[in-house]
Amino acid sequence: DIQMTQSPSSLSASVGDRVTITCRASQSISSYLNWYEQKPGKAPKLLIYAVSSLQSGVPLRFSGSGSGTEFTLTISSLQPEDFATYYCQQSYSTRTFGQGTKVEIK
Amino acid sequence: EVQLVESGGGLVKPGGSLRLSCAASGFTFSSYSMNWVRQAPGKGLEWVSSFSSSSSYIYYADSVKGRFTISRDNAKNSLYLQMNSLRAEDTAVYYCARDRQLLQGMDVWGQGTTVTVSS
Repeated sequence: DIQMTQSPSSLSASVGDRVTITCRASQSISSYLNWYEQKPGKAPKLLIYAVSSLQSGVPLRFSGSGSGTEFTLTISSLQPEDFATYYCQQSYSTRTFGQGTKVEIK
Repeated sequence: EVQLVESGGGLVKPGGSLRLSCAASGFTFSSYSMNWVRQAPGKGLEWVSSFSSSSSYIYYADSVKGRFTISRDNAKNSLYLQMNSLRAEDTAVYYCARDRQLLQGMDVWGQGTTVTVSS
C-alpha cells in the first residue's frame, strides 16, 4: 500500500503569510495527487486535483506543485477563512490520505 | 443541485452490524465511481472503500477487508456500505464521496453519518 506523509503536522501563521505544506508518497504516484481542506464539523472540500489543477470556485491563492513522490500545497497569502486542516490524497493505487496539516492562527 | 445524503448510522455493540446508505441526486450517478471515507473522533481522514462506475473494480482498505461490503444500485441512485463484525475502532463519521473522472479527486461529499461501536 502507498503511504502518504505530510509535513508539518501543524503550523501557526498570520493572515497574509505564505504557507507551504509538503506531502511525500512512499512510491511514485505520477500526477494522481489531490488536496482537500476541512473545517471543524464539516465534510472535506476538494481544493486541487491532479497535482496543480484548481477545483472550480477555489481561490487563486491556492496552488499545487510536484511530481513523482514529493508534492506541495501553497497558500500565497493566508486569509482568515483558510484556517483549517489540509489533507493530501493519492489516487494512483486505491486511495490513501495523508495524516493532515492543521493551520492555526498565530 | 448535486448532492449526497448519508443515512443509517447509529450506536451498535461490538460484533454487530450496520448498513449505511448514500442517496445521490443532481447528477448521473451511474457514470461516477463512488467512495466511502471515514473519520474517527479527533483523527484524520481514512479511505474505506471504492466502487467503480463500470463495476469493474471494488477496493477496500485493509482495516475493513472481509468485514465491510460496498455495493451500489444505479437504478436507485444509491451507494451502500454493509458493515459486519464491528469493532470499537470503527467508530467514526462515515462520508460518501464522488470521484471526479479519471481518478482526479473526490469532488462531492455528503454531510456524513456517525457510527458508534460501544457496549
